[in-house]
Amino acid sequence: GAGVSQSPSNKVTEKGKDVELRCDPISGHTALYWYRQRLGQGLEFLIYFQGNSAPDKSGLPSDRFSAERTGESVSTLTIQRTQQEDSAVYLCASSLAWGAEATDTQYFGPGTRLTVL
Amino acid sequence: GQNIDQPTEMTATEGAIVQINCTYQTSGFNGLFWYQQHAGEAPTFLSYNVLDGLEEKGRFSSFLSRSKGYSYLLLKELQMKDSASYLCAVDNYGQNFVFGPGTRLSVLP
Repeated sequence: GAGVSQSPSNKVTEKGKDVELRCDPISGHTALYWYRQRLGQGLEFLIYFQGNSAPDKSGLPSDRFSAERTGESVSTLTIQRTQQEDSAVYLCASSLAWGAEATDTQYFGPGTRLTVL
Repeated sequence: GQNIDQPTEMTATEGAIVQINCTYQTSGFNGLFWYQQHAGEAPTFLSYNVLDGLEEKGRFSSFLSRSKGYSYLLLKELQMKDSASYLCAVDNYGQNFVFGPGTRLSVLP
């Protein structure tokens, strides 16, 4: 596709349920990022995938959060036993490469708005 | 630690010029990005600086001083559609991107 896509666009769930968010990066982009943005706040880094290297999970807020990526394609972010504090917009971004000047430019998907009741 | 500071909010008048500052302290540096984010939308790329100096792109310019850990985004001939949040982000070489809290710009008629 032409850009980064994410699904679903909106997700409403009950506290304690698990949710899975999907990101399709731009074809050929080796780097993929997940961010969380709470209402009115800045972007919070969650996890980063680069090619076949081990992902950088340093931003994941708890062990309820996990993410996977199949090769250099689709990624899923899973939140187990959701809490109300998990309510936020989850943004995915991809870039052509990492550590190579302007190819680091991240292109963002439209985000998934998660509401935990 | 990693720290990026930006003013929280700014207000300017249509047609005017506004400068949004960003100061950073990160363990690594491989470039600084500015993104624009309209309310309810994903961020979009505006500019990238890795060398000291000014990069001009139409009505938008971005400046970097690596020695001072300082950047600014300059918006000229402001339009109502420029009302948005502007995010400063550092490519923290070898680690991850660190985003500032964003500056919410309101352009008034």
